[in-house]
Amino acid sequence: AQTVTQSQPEMSVQEAETVTLSCTYDTSESDYYLFWYKQPPSRQMILVIRQEAYKQQNATENRFSVNFQKAAKSFSLKISDSQLGDAAMYFCAYRSAVRGGSQGNLIFGKGTKLSVKP
Amino acid sequence: SQTIHQWPATLVQPVGSPLSLECTVEGTSNPNLYWYRQAAGRGLQLLFYSVGIGQISSEVPQNLSASRPQDRQFILSSKKLLLSDSGFYLCAWSVRRGERDTDTQYFGPGTRLTVL
Repeated sequence: AQTVTQSQPEMSVQEAETVTLSCTYDTSESDYYLFWYKQPPSRQMILVIRQEAYKQQNATENRFSVNFQKAAKSFSLKISDSQLGDAAMYFCAYRSAVRGGSQGNLIFGKGTKLSVKP
Repeated sequence: SQTIHQWPATLVQPVGSPLSLECTVEGTSNPNLYWYRQAAGRGLQLLFYSVGIGQISSEVPQNLSASRPQDRQFILSSKKLLLSDSGFYLCAWSVRRGERDTDTQYFGPGTRLTVL
């Protein structure tokens, strides 16, 4: 079974600085997707960024980028120019590309709480 | 554009009472639908998913059930709530295209359930 591990329960960053959140995963599959979701105090899960495992290029979305190391099974999120609104729980998630059954469902890590200091 | 709604937003129920949480999706057809639970200080746990009307798969044995009476409606129910059912319940959807499900799930605003 696949697992997702976020080893940093809490992180803190100064406003306008850069922070990197870590995520590792375990899988025997070669085709899958990886995601970072943000959960602000409102608790709605918001998609931040996604990565397709068969793409070597790291995904970027404005101030958010990932460092995807497939061989190392690592998927870290870098937030540049941190803003107060970035403060939230961040969840890393894995999804198999296999269709059907429970294999296609999201597997979440336990999250990292990010604080942004003004 | 697609939107997903959940209600109620918050709910306080006594132990042993029934439960019905509703999720509806607009702007898409034949979506995959999911129910997740997030206990305090923990990650998300998948409870149920559905690939079509009347098709429900359960991931965790429990006293909850799910139904999909319409294409874009997903309901989470219980006949008798337990204290351990307290948590934050999130509904999500994803698009189905041909033989390959699209990968991204989009979440609703959630329902905070407190069982006393």
